[in-house]
Amino acid sequence: RKEVEQDPGPFNVPEGATVAFNCTYSNSASQSFFWYRQDCRKEPKLLMSVYSSGNEDGRFTAQLNRASQYISLLIRDSKLSDSATYLCVVKDGTASKLTFGTGTRLQVML
Amino acid sequence: ETGVTQTPRHLVMGMTNKKSLKCEQHLGHNAMYWYKQSAKKPLELMFVYNFKEQTENNSVPSRFSPECPNSSHLFLHLHTLQPEDSALYLCASSPLDRGAVHNEQFFGPGTRLTVL
Repeated sequence: RKEVEQDPGPFNVPEGATVAFNCTYSNSASQSFFWYRQDCRKEPKLLMSVYSSGNEDGRFTAQLNRASQYISLLIRDSKLSDSATYLCVVKDGTASKLTFGTGTRLQVML
Repeated sequence: ETGVTQTPRHLVMGMTNKKSLKCEQHLGHNAMYWYKQSAKKPLELMFVYNFKEQTENNSVPSRFSPECPNSSHLFLHLHTLQPEDSALYLCASSPLDRGAVHNEQFFGPGTRLTVL
């Protein structure tokens, strides 16, 4: 089983749509959770951290379900500029290591 | 605009060559990382340095040799690589990692390596 599992997509959605990505992780000792964004041929950049109570940043909402070991990212009112690969990232409490999923590719269309 | 720079951006080398990748961060961070990103695979952590000391080697073959002369610079020395080592090599930095507390990692643009 992969440590962090994501649907690779691509998710092709029209502008203005709402889209949700899911991610599951296998290490129950994981303590910190994040979504990174990677544009084509660019480096990954932190999009948002994911907190137990759920958190929102503008059009982006992240949720964590520790019992099911499941993380989600919801994007409302999609923009063309949201087109990218979204990486689910997990960190346990004791190591420096970030474990990345393979990413979910989003393509927002006119 | 990036606070983490990498050179070269592209590298083609033969299996008998020796080359080095360079990373420099201008963010005042104390932790630096090397990652490998292959097609269709997740980013793989290779090495971690905290305050110039290597704190993690993620079972990386010895043909990859990291060097961290100071907190701002990180090198990856390459020798006798294999074609399957072709990938994007990303450097990242962060404030000193303190276990459970996440510090955002800032990535450089990467070096795209092709081994012939």
